Amino acid sequence: EVQLLESGGGLAQPGGSLRLSCAASGFTLRDYAMTWVRQAPGKGLEWVSTITGSGTVTYYADSVKGRFTISRDNSKSTLYLQMNTLRVEDTALYYCAGGYSSSSEMDSWGQGTLVTVSS
Amino acid sequence: SYVVTQPPSVSVAPGKTARIPCGGNNIGNKDVHWYQQKPGQAPVLVISYDSDRPSGIPERFSGSNSENTATLTINRVEAGDEADYYCQVWDSGSDHWIFGGGTKLTVL
Repeated sequence: EVQLLESGGGLAQPGGSLRLSCAASGFTLRDYAMTWVRQAPGKGLEWVSTITGSGTVTYYADSVKGRFTISRDNSKSTLYLQMNTLRVEDTALYYCAGGYSSSSEMDSWGQGTLVTVSS
Repeated sequence: SYVVTQPPSVSVAPGKTARIPCGGNNIGNKDVHWYQQKPGQAPVLVISYDSDRPSGIPERFSGSNSENTATLTINRVEAGDEADYYCQVWDSGSDHWIFGGGTKLTVL
């Protein structure tokens, strides 16, 4: 059974940093492109970042480019999102999701980890 | 960058057909994916590549895509179909994923 389990969320101050993790099981992570999608309270889905299966190519939404870094360790079956210079508007539930390529549908989703940015 | 537009809400009586549009400039030339999200749950893929139904998704769910509108159709709507539905496309011009704003389906 494919499982994605996010962790690392919590409370951060504006300007602070957090590192999210997404542990994968039930499949070979390197075979999947992985994506972070976030959802602010009461709002819709917003794409954040995508990384290819090999980790060699990354894509970022304009709202996070230069502040967030996506990475992966296929040997540990784990996806990461390093979030720096956090803003209040980054407050959201962050989901990791997987698809067979960076431009294919996302057929597996985790349950999300909540990030709250507040002073 | 590319924009896709969904109506905020659609209402339908049980047993009837719900149609949820997703509009975009020449969206018929793109692959559209649809996700269902129930309250407190993660999104679930219900239609991929305009009209493909993943394993486990009821046949009542179908999709189409032509010209400037993609449509998710749910036949014989049930109370359990009440959820938010999101369309999604990959914009190759910007190398960005684009989500529609979401449509809340209410079963009357």
